[in-house]
Amino acid sequence: SQTIHQWPATLVQPVGSPLSLECTVEGTSNPNLYWYRQAAGRGLQLLFYSVGIGQISSEVPQNLSASRPQDRQFILSSKKLLLSDSGFYLCAWSPDTGELFFGEGSRLTVL
Amino acid sequence: AQSVTQLDSQVPVFEEAPVELRCNYSSSVSVYLFWYVQYPNQGLQLLLKYLSGSTLVKGINGFEAEFNKSQTSFHLRKPSVHISDTAEYFCAVGPAGNNRKLIWGLGTSLAVNP
Repeated sequence: SQTIHQWPATLVQPVGSPLSLECTVEGTSNPNLYWYRQAAGRGLQLLFYSVGIGQISSEVPQNLSASRPQDRQFILSSKKLLLSDSGFYLCAWSPDTGELFFGEGSRLTVL
Repeated sequence: AQSVTQLDSQVPVFEEAPVELRCNYSSSVSVYLFWYVQYPNQGLQLLLKYLSGSTLVKGINGFEAEFNKSQTSFHLRKPSVHISDTAEYFCAVGPAGNNRKLIWGLGTSLAVNP
């Protein structure tokens, strides 16, 4: 069966520091991969979408970036964090159609 | 373009009572519809989905939802809730076959009280 993992689960970082959140999927090949951010009271916001290695689509302008160095690995990064980057980040994968399968989430607090 | 409205931000209910969480959408194309549940500090888990076929969809944990095309609704129901159903519930709508365009509701917080 397919599983998805992301880490770290929690992270407290100072403003201006770098960020790296990692997500891996097991049990499937060539998944569609997603990074979402969830802010309190604002639902889910799609940040990045990937259909394959090196193929990244950005849905919103921001100081975050994403990379897909391997088929089942998806990384969310920032060179310099802002206070507004605080939130709950969710990685997800999907087959070609249908539902999304989410990881456990990473809570980022920028101080 | 699609939009999703979850009509109740909070729903308090007593244990073993029935519950309905309401979701309305708008779309000019055929849609897929989903309900997800999120427990505190966890990711989202799929409860049920409507892709096509029967408009009454049964999901996990005793939940079901009915797709009503004329009223553009996809309300979630459970006949008897448990304390463990306390969670945030999200409705999502997207054009058929395109997960990138999923539109999410703001969520309904279900609080089941003893």
